[in-house]
Amino acid sequence: EDQVTQSPEALRLQEGESSSLNCSYTVSGLRGLFWYRQDPGKGPEFLFTLYSAGEEKEKERLKATLTKKESFLHITAPKPEDSATYLCAVQAGDKVIFGPGTSLSVIP
Amino acid sequence: DAEITQSPRHKITETGRQVTLACHQTWNHNNMFWYRQDLGHGLRLIHYSYGVHDTNKGEVSDGYSVSRSNTEDLPLTLESAASSQTSVYFCASSGGFISSYNEQFFGPGTRLTVL
Repeated sequence: EDQVTQSPEALRLQEGESSSLNCSYTVSGLRGLFWYRQDPGKGPEFLFTLYSAGEEKEKERLKATLTKKESFLHITAPKPEDSATYLCAVQAGDKVIFGPGTSLSVIP
Repeated sequence: DAEITQSPRHKITETGRQVTLACHQTWNHNNMFWYRQDLGHGLRLIHYSYGVHDTNKGEVSDGYSVSRSNTEDLPLTLESAASSQTSVYFCASSGGFISSYNEQFFGPGTRLTVL
């Protein structure tokens, strides 16, 4: 069965304390992996698309990487405004499967 | 600027009533999607459309219907609302063609409560 999991469920960081979020997937025929950011009370906002193992994308303090089984979202020197829920989604064939998300809190 | 809007933003209804949630996008995207988001389940796909007059069932389509009569709108109808349908509903759209996936642009969501 196609599945996407994310860990940890919640993460609390001090401002400036770098860390990584994990997205693991078991799907057949991966066509792309997507990272989204979701603020409370709002819809998800697109961050990155990764298509093949070894690919990396960067945006400000965020860097996303992809292997054959998982993706990491690295957050370097986070700021309080980085606090949000981070969702990953996998496209396998015509299906898009979202993970449950990681809730990130960055404390000043 | 192009955008995707949903209405109403909040809705309270009673069990058994028919409810329609509106979704309107000005991106001129072919593809539109409806999701529900519940604690512990993440986003789950209800229905999707790859173009006018095209509709497809998603993972949790029972009790829901959609129709696509133009590019901009994909209304979601709950035929007979049930308490299990209390959730936050998100509409999304993306560019590209059938079986081609690009990043999705999400609306602000509709919080539906069924009493």
